[in-house]
Amino acid sequence: GNSVTQMEGPVTLSEEAFLTINCTYTATGYPSLFWYVQYPGEGLQLLLKATKADDKGSNKGFEATYRKETTSFHLEKGSVQVSDSAVYFCALSDQTGANNLFFGTGTRLTVIP
Amino acid sequence: GAGVSQSPRYKVAKRGQDVALRCDPISGHVSLFWYQQALGQGPEFLTYFQNEAQLDKSGLPSDRFFAERPEGSVSTLKIQRTQQEDSAVYLCASSSHRGGFFSNQPQHFGDGTRLSIL
Repeated sequence: GNSVTQMEGPVTLSEEAFLTINCTYTATGYPSLFWYVQYPGEGLQLLLKATKADDKGSNKGFEATYRKETTSFHLEKGSVQVSDSAVYFCALSDQTGANNLFFGTGTRLTVIP
Repeated sequence: GAGVSQSPRYKVAKRGQDVALRCDPISGHVSLFWYQQALGQGPEFLTYFQNEAQLDKSGLPSDRFFAERPEGSVSTLKIQRTQQEDSAVYLCASSSHRGGFFSNQPQHFGDGTRLSIL
């Protein structure tokens, strides 16, 4: 079956610190991988995605590389800002006809000045 | 607006009441999804529509849950005889994905309806 295991939080970092949020997955076939972000009081937004092995998704300084050999899609950012405080969800789409998403449990990030 | 719109934003109901949650997808989006997000958890898939056809309802937790999209646009998720375990945020998402493999079309989410059953 399909599942996503995500690093549990909460994570608290100082501004300009390096961020890593771990994500590993189990899937049948060749999934697409996503990171979604939920800012306080807002809905889920797509942050970045990768559709095949070795692809790197990037957006707003965040990056994640699709690693098929380790079934991982870790999220990284070199220097976090207070405005990055949010809940981050790793997700996969199993590329069947529906393309519905399977989510991890989310990691709450708080960045302090 | 240009995004997915859900209403109401908050709903409080007594156990045993029926509720209806509405989703207005992005105009022209063929695919529509409903997810349930329990407190502190990630969203879990409930059901999927392609236009007016409900192609997958494998995630609906019981026969008290019913979804429809009669004209292929607005969708309604109905929960009958609500129970306390139905308390969650219900998310709707739409995409331009038209079915088949290897779609790169992202899902766009609404802000959700927070349902509380007393």
